[in-house]
Amino acid sequence: AQKITQTQPGMFVQEKEAVTLDCTYDTSDQSYGLFWYKQPSSGEMIFLIYQGSYDEQNATEGRYSLNFQKARKSANLVISASQLGDSAMYFCAMRAGPGGGADGLTFGKGTHLIIQP
Amino acid sequence: DGGITQSPKYLFRKEGQNVTLSCEQNLNHDAMYWYRQDPGQGLRLIYYSQIVNDFQKGDIAEGYSVSREKKESFPLTVTSAQKNPTAFYLCASTTSGGTNEQFFGPGTRLTVL
Repeated sequence: AQKITQTQPGMFVQEKEAVTLDCTYDTSDQSYGLFWYKQPSSGEMIFLIYQGSYDEQNATEGRYSLNFQKARKSANLVISASQLGDSAMYFCAMRAGPGGGADGLTFGKGTHLIIQP
Repeated sequence: DGGITQSPKYLFRKEGQNVTLSCEQNLNHDAMYWYRQDPGQGLRLIYYSQIVNDFQKGDIAEGYSVSREKKESFPLTVTSAQKNPTAFYLCASTTSGGTNEQFFGPGTRLTVL
């Protein structure tokens, strides 16, 4: 079975500072993928970034980067130069298992990030 | 524009009534999914379908039913057997292969009175 753990229920960060959201995962599969999604108060899920288990480089997408430490089974999201619009829930998720992800993602419980002016 | 639509956005029902949530996608994706989200919680998988006329139970399928008669459509019925149906329901789809990134609809907030 797969499991995602996000240990920070909430975070307050000053605008323009960098922020790191923690995510650890557990799976016995060798091939897996890790995702981060953002959920604003409106409820939609917005895809941010993806890291495959065999990717040698850490993924980056604009202000988002994923600090992937395979041996520690961690996949932390780093947001550089935070903005007020970054205030939202952030979810770490994983695809793994016999279906290779076609049978759904496993989500963590999320981190509520609040950016303060 | 390609995407996933869910209707309605808000739904109110009396206890004991079945209710069907709509999910349509025009992304030509093979696989579709239903998740449930409770306050302060992550998403939990209810049902998924990888091809037409086939679907599989997820982690919390009890009290729910689905159908997949068309590639574009994956409706979810919340039956009276679901003990605590009030929640936010999200539909998603994905192509097969690649990263399996899931694209989500805007969600339906169901309240059972």
